[in-house]
Amino acid sequence: DAGVIQSPRHEVTEMGQEVTLRCKPISGHDYLFWYRQTMMRGLELLIYFNNNVPIDDSGMPEDRFSAKMPNASFSTLKIQPSEPRDSAVYFCASRFGADYNEQFFGPGTRLTVL
Amino acid sequence: KQEVTQIPAALSVPEGENLVLNCSFTDSAIYNLQWFRQDPGKGLTSLLLIQSSQREQTSGRLNASLDKSSGRSTLYIAASQPGDSATYLCAVTNDYKLSFGAGTTVTVRA
Repeated sequence: DAGVIQSPRHEVTEMGQEVTLRCKPISGHDYLFWYRQTMMRGLELLIYFNNNVPIDDSGMPEDRFSAKMPNASFSTLKIQPSEPRDSAVYFCASRFGADYNEQFFGPGTRLTVL
Repeated sequence: KQEVTQIPAALSVPEGENLVLNCSFTDSAIYNLQWFRQDPGKGLTSLLLIQSSQREQTSGRLNASLDKSSGRSTLYIAASQPGDSATYLCAVTNDYKLSFGAGTTVTVRA
């Protein structure tokens, strides 16, 4: 398996633009997680899905952020409109089954909002 | 809310010295603990996963211990090499959620 795939790897955009980050989890994994990493706050969970259903989005910072998982092999994280403080590295991770199983992380998308 | 602390924040050692990285967590009701490595500008590489019922895990020069009751884990890296220079992150799982420490940035001097 190719592991968790994220695209794009780098994104530079201007304030006010819409940004869409994409993730393909490992085949067969039924949990998908979106994390954000910043210097100030470290790694924090934004939202997670189980069987394509959003379970907890309490980490989503504002209404400008939204996430979807239309099927088991694809998820998006959208920011609209983007702001400079959204600049960060966004990681997607997936896991199979129980909470004690390992999460596998994608390479991340480095977002810069000018 | 789970709080994960890593000490020290940064560490610089000469090549060949053993590394000791510490991680503590406030809620001992964890499912597991993971140690990750992150190189500058890169993603997360999982190093070791310790289940809550285990006391330690070993992989090559790496050994991680877990004392769940006291909320502590230690990552030992034997005979450090310049290639070990990176940031090491500790993370614990409560329910569905991974909570991360801020990391320890390690520099191994040749």
